Amino acid sequence: DAGVIQSPRHEVTEMGQEVTLRCKPISGHDYLFWYRQTMMRGLELLIYFNNNVPIDDSGMPEDRFSAKMPNASFSTLKIQPSEPRDSAVYFCASSPQSWNTGELFFGEGSRLTVL
Amino acid sequence: AQSVAQPEDQVNVAEGNPLTVKCTYSVSGNPYLFWYVQYPNRGLQFLLKYITGDNLVKGSYGFEAEFNKSQTSFHLKKPSALVSDSALYFCAVRDTNAGKSTFGDGTTLTVKP
Repeated sequence: DAGVIQSPRHEVTEMGQEVTLRCKPISGHDYLFWYRQTMMRGLELLIYFNNNVPIDDSGMPEDRFSAKMPNASFSTLKIQPSEPRDSAVYFCASSPQSWNTGELFFGEGSRLTVL
Repeated sequence: AQSVAQPEDQVNVAEGNPLTVKCTYSVSGNPYLFWYVQYPNRGLQFLLKYITGDNLVKGSYGFEAEFNKSQTSFHLKKPSALVSDSALYFCAVRDTNAGKSTFGDGTTLTVKP
């Protein structure tokens, strides 16, 4: 298995532009998570899905952020409009449905820089 | 609400010496506890987990962790550190009623030759 695949690996954009981050989870995994990592705030959970349904989006910073999972093999995290404070590494992770005992499998992350 | 604390931002050890990275947790039910490692510019990688059973859990790369219910701790240990163990280590707890994991702030481990 190729693991969790994220794209792009690096994104540099200007303030106000729309940013779309993509994630392909491991086949057969029922949970998908979006995390954001910064030096100041560490690793923050933004949103997670179970069987393509958003379960908890309380970590989404504001309305500028949205996430979708149209099918079991694809998810997007969109920021519109982007701001410099959104600069971070965004991780996608997936996990099997193992009565909450399954570990997370992380992608390599998407490093976003908003100028 | 669940939470995890890693009291040390940085741990420095000499190669060949034992290492310990500390973690304490708070959960309302049974704790499902995990350790992950992150190398520079990489995603987090799973090391080991405690779900139930033996309090001493063995994981990847010679790491182990000891679950202590009375002290609500889950410290990561290795008998003999390697320079290549230098990385950022995260402790995490997973909610038994839902799917989400809560991570600690991370501990940077530096192993000096």
